[in-house]
Amino acid sequence: DADVTQTPRNRITKTGKRIMLECSQTKGHDRMYWYRQDPGLGLRLIYYSFDVKDINKGEISDGYSVSRQAQAKFSLSLESAIPNQTALYFCATSDSLTGMGETQYFGPGTRLLVL
Amino acid sequence: AQKVTQAQTEISVVEKEDVTLDCVYETRDTTYYLFWYKQPPSGELVFLIRRNSFDEQNEISGRYSWNFQKSTSSFNFTITASQVVDSAVYFCALHSNSGYALNFGKGTSLLVTP
Repeated sequence: DADVTQTPRNRITKTGKRIMLECSQTKGHDRMYWYRQDPGLGLRLIYYSFDVKDINKGEISDGYSVSRQAQAKFSLSLESAIPNQTALYFCATSDSLTGMGETQYFGPGTRLLVL
Repeated sequence: AQKVTQAQTEISVVEKEDVTLDCVYETRDTTYYLFWYKQPPSGELVFLIRRNSFDEQNEISGRYSWNFQKSTSSFNFTITASQVVDSAVYFCALHSNSGYALNFGKGTSLLVTP
């Protein structure tokens, strides 16, 4: 089984709808991240969490919210989806115990289309 | 400010050719980490290598090799004898002491044709 899983893998929604993307990990890592990928722009950080009680905004947090329900679960919500949130969304995890510059491991991604 | 530049947007080679993907980075930190990830057509991101700023030794893993040069702020990736399965988008990324996440380049799309 994959160490980092994301559900759903694909989602089509309409403008104005609220949707939630979920991420679970079995790696035992304390840090989790949400990124979005747009063609030609690389990956940009939306939110990150260094532990269950620690949530921080990333580069492009407007229009998104997150919840760290447990060490292993980190969900991303779009309160009112808009078309320019159409993108590929990745969850990632890392282990702070490995020291600075720890490797981030990514989930398989969720393709979101907002009509 | 931190920045990663992958100037090559797309590269196309014929199978068995060697290919080098360029990565140039900017950071004011003296301690930092560089990464390469591979994104095949299926979409997932696969970790390839992590290198810290104190270790300039080049690394080879099978057909893959990485050349880290602090003097030119570059961390280039070479695939020797490329294969069709190497076709993917490759991302270079930077993490430093003052950052909270990875700074990604925009990626280089590599197409290897038979």
